Amino acid sequence: QKEVEQDPGPLSVPEGAIVSLNCTYSNSAFQYFMWYRQYSRKGPELLMYTYSSGNKEDGRFTAQVDKSSKYISLFIRDSQPSDSATYLCAMRNSGYSTLTFGKGTMLLVSP
Amino acid sequence: KAGVTQTPRYLIKTRGQQVTLSCSPISGHRSVSWYQQTPGQGLQFLFEYFSETQRNKGNFPGRFSGRQFSNSRSEMNVSTLELGDSALYLCASSLDYAAGEEEQYFGPGTRLTVT
Repeated sequence: QKEVEQDPGPLSVPEGAIVSLNCTYSNSAFQYFMWYRQYSRKGPELLMYTYSSGNKEDGRFTAQVDKSSKYISLFIRDSQPSDSATYLCAMRNSGYSTLTFGKGTMLLVSP
Repeated sequence: KAGVTQTPRYLIKTRGQQVTLSCSPISGHRSVSWYQQTPGQGLQFLFEYFSETQRNKGNFPGRFSGRQFSNSRSEMNVSTLELGDSALYLCASSLDYAAGEEEQYFGPGTRLTVT
């Protein structure tokens, strides 16, 4: 079992839809959780950064962490064609440790 | 503030050759990490440098090496290139990755093709 599992998609939605992206993980020591957006032929861009369990909202984006279920989610409201990209979840332990990434979910938002 | 820059952006090499990739972190950032991204394996951690010292290393063969200079700029080297080394190599910088809630910022990557 991989440490971080993420459905590769593609996930196709119409413009304006609410998008739900998810990752599951197996390492209970993970404390910091991130979502990155990566456009084609670009480096990943940090979208959301959360510590431990709970919700965090930033504009149209909401990140949720459920440590008891080892499950994290990213919700995108009022999705736009410009949101079409690959979304990567990433997580790490407390203290010094390296990031472990999911393989990414490709999202396609059609006008 | 300028972002993370990587050079070159694209590179084509032949099997058996060696290659050096360069990364300039965001001004003031002292931690630089390198990742390899492939369609099959996703993003995999190579190594991290802080103040010219390698602090952590991923599970890659010794053909992959790196270094960091006093100005925090970093280079990675891959010797005896193999076809499987074809990938996007990403550099990420942060103030100090070990200091707690430190975010990493990625550069655009160097796309290496080995023929």
